[in-house]
Amino acid sequence: GQNIDQPTEMTATEGAIVQINCTYQTSGFNGLFWYQQHAGEAPTFLSYNVLDGLEEKGRFSSFLSRSKGYSYLLLKELQMKDSASYLCAVANQAGTALIFGKGTTLSVSS
Amino acid sequence: DTGVSQDPRHKITKRGQNVTFRCDPISEHNRLYWYRQTLGQGPEFLTYFQNEAQLEKSRLLSDRFSAERPKGSFSTLEIQRTEQGDSAMYLCASSLSGRSSGANVLTFGAGSRLTVL
Repeated sequence: GQNIDQPTEMTATEGAIVQINCTYQTSGFNGLFWYQQHAGEAPTFLSYNVLDGLEEKGRFSSFLSRSKGYSYLLLKELQMKDSASYLCAVANQAGTALIFGKGTTLSVSS
Repeated sequence: DTGVSQDPRHKITKRGQNVTFRCDPISEHNRLYWYRQTLGQGPEFLTYFQNEAQLEKSRLLSDRFSAERPKGSFSTLEIQRTEQGDSAMYLCASSLSGRSSGANVLTFGAGSRLTVL
């Protein structure tokens, strides 16, 4: 089975950097994904990692360590619009579907 | 292409009634997924289609739930004899299958919110 843990809530201020951690336990590994979800809206894809290391995409970066079952999403130069839930997800053993964590609600204040 | 469309966006029903949701995926996507999400939780996987074949179904899914994708394009999710615990956002997503993990980049619809009174 799969188990995904991430903090429930985080707060930060505009312009700051925040790191959202995710740990996972899976019976197989086919990639780790990060999605952003604003309140009342659909989740939107941010990034994915299949190999160890850092993937950078503008203000957002995601890191993966498969041996540690650990990932983080790094958000730089925070803006108010970054206030949202950030969902960590791993592909199931067959690689056919994503299993999501409960999400981390990030609140950015001025 | 306008993305993944879901209908209706909101549905209020009385306990015991049947409801049906429709999802129109991105046209070139052959994979279609149904998820359920309640407040403060991440999306919970329900079922998955590749073309018209339903290849995977959550073991937690009640027999009252059934999904179809008859022509490999749109899909319907029906809930029979609704219960208050079925109140949730029902999300549809689609993707294009491939050899890499990039195939699991799901594009979600805006969801259908169900309230069972």
